[in-house]
Amino acid sequence: AQKITQTQPGMFVQEKEAVTLDCTYDTSDQSYGLFWYKQPSSGEMIFLIYQGSYDEQNATEGRYSLNFQKARKSANLVISASQLGDSAMYFCAMRERNYGQNFVFGPGTRLSVLP
Amino acid sequence: DAGVTQSPTHLIKTRGQQVTLRCSPKSGHDTVSWYQQALGQGPQFIFQYYEEEERQRGNFPDRFSGHQFPNYSSELNVNALLLGDSALYLCASSLGPLHHEQYFGPGTRLTVT
Repeated sequence: AQKITQTQPGMFVQEKEAVTLDCTYDTSDQSYGLFWYKQPSSGEMIFLIYQGSYDEQNATEGRYSLNFQKARKSANLVISASQLGDSAMYFCAMRERNYGQNFVFGPGTRLSVLP
Repeated sequence: DAGVTQSPTHLIKTRGQQVTLRCSPKSGHDTVSWYQQALGQGPQFIFQYYEEEERQRGNFPDRFSGHQFPNYSSELNVNALLLGDSALYLCASSLGPLHHEQYFGPGTRLTVT
């Protein structure tokens, strides 16, 4: 079974608008972390935001926020006020304590910001 | 402050050959993890090195091996290359094996012909 599911292979958003990238995960672990990374065409993975399974507040980092719904096992990334430079692949990832803390990545969503 | 660096940037090898990829972690980081990213897919965890030992390993065959040096830099070795080993190989460093924030390098693009 897929540990991380990202159902949107590609998304388009108009510049300055907000966009939500979906991520659902599968785990039986009580302690885990959820991450979002951005990968521009250059290939380098850029860390965006982190949410711990025990964190009660949704994580925020500048224009990025993580909509964490633990019961639904979803960790959607919200990007506010999209910029042209936000065009990239976005990966959701999880790290489970009971699985050696290895990172498991989803298949990614390609976001294109339109001028 | 130097980030994570990897060398070489690109590499072309023939089936059956062996390859060594190199990674220098971000300054102050002591843990290095390696990932394989096939075209159009998310990265897959290969293994993690901390204190010069392999601490965690993903579902990769023994053809994939690594090493960490006292200065925390690391090498990834792949023996008996297969066409399916063609991928972007990413190195990530962190401050300790459990720290949630990893910094990635630009990757090495390996093509096996």
